[in-house]
Amino acid sequence: KAGVTQTPRYLIKTRGQQVTLSCSPISGHRSVSWYQQTPGQGLQFLFEYFSETQRNKGNFPGRFSGRQFSNSRSEMNVSTLELGDSALYLCASSPVGRRTSYEQYFGPGTRLTVT
Amino acid sequence: GNSVTQMEGPVTLSEEAFLTINCTYTATGYPSLFWYVQYPGEGLQLLLKATKADDKGSNKGFEATYRKETTSFHLEKGSVQVSDSAVYFCALSSSYNQGGKLIFGQGTELSVKP
Repeated sequence: KAGVTQTPRYLIKTRGQQVTLSCSPISGHRSVSWYQQTPGQGLQFLFEYFSETQRNKGNFPGRFSGRQFSNSRSEMNVSTLELGDSALYLCASSPVGRRTSYEQYFGPGTRLTVT
Repeated sequence: GNSVTQMEGPVTLSEEAFLTINCTYTATGYPSLFWYVQYPGEGLQLLLKATKADDKGSNKGFEATYRKETTSFHLEKGSVQVSDSAVYFCALSSSYNQGGKLIFGQGTELSVKP
């Protein structure tokens, strides 16, 4: 099976702009989660989508949003970018079900730089 | 709330040395526990997992045992290689409805010298 793919891999944006990141999960995985990784804060959970519905949400401002499509592909959007949004954004998919252990499989990430 | 604490790095070892990276957790209920590894410029790779008390996860020579009495999940390897140099993350997932949310430790950087 192909792994989790994320596009683009690298992105440079200017403060105040908005950005959309894309994630394609492993075939058959219906849960997609997003994380932000920074040197100072480490890995922080943004949100999770399952069957096109946001199921869990982390402690990020409303500028961070996401959605999931019927084919389980997901996008996240950050509006009004701030310098502090510079980070590696990781997407992960999971084979959710009662007999799974909820392990997640990560993509390579999108490196966002805000100038 | 749920949390994970890892030993601070960086950890520097010589090739063939024994590795232990400590991880303790705080969680309600019975979480699933994971170790992930991140190589430079890459995403996270699932290294091993354990879903209930006394389970031992193992992969590529790495092992970790789910100890509920000490709320620990320490990572061990008997003989490290230069190729094991990476950042290691301990993580937990707390329940079915929260299964899509992993809580990570701060990561431990491992450097193995020839």
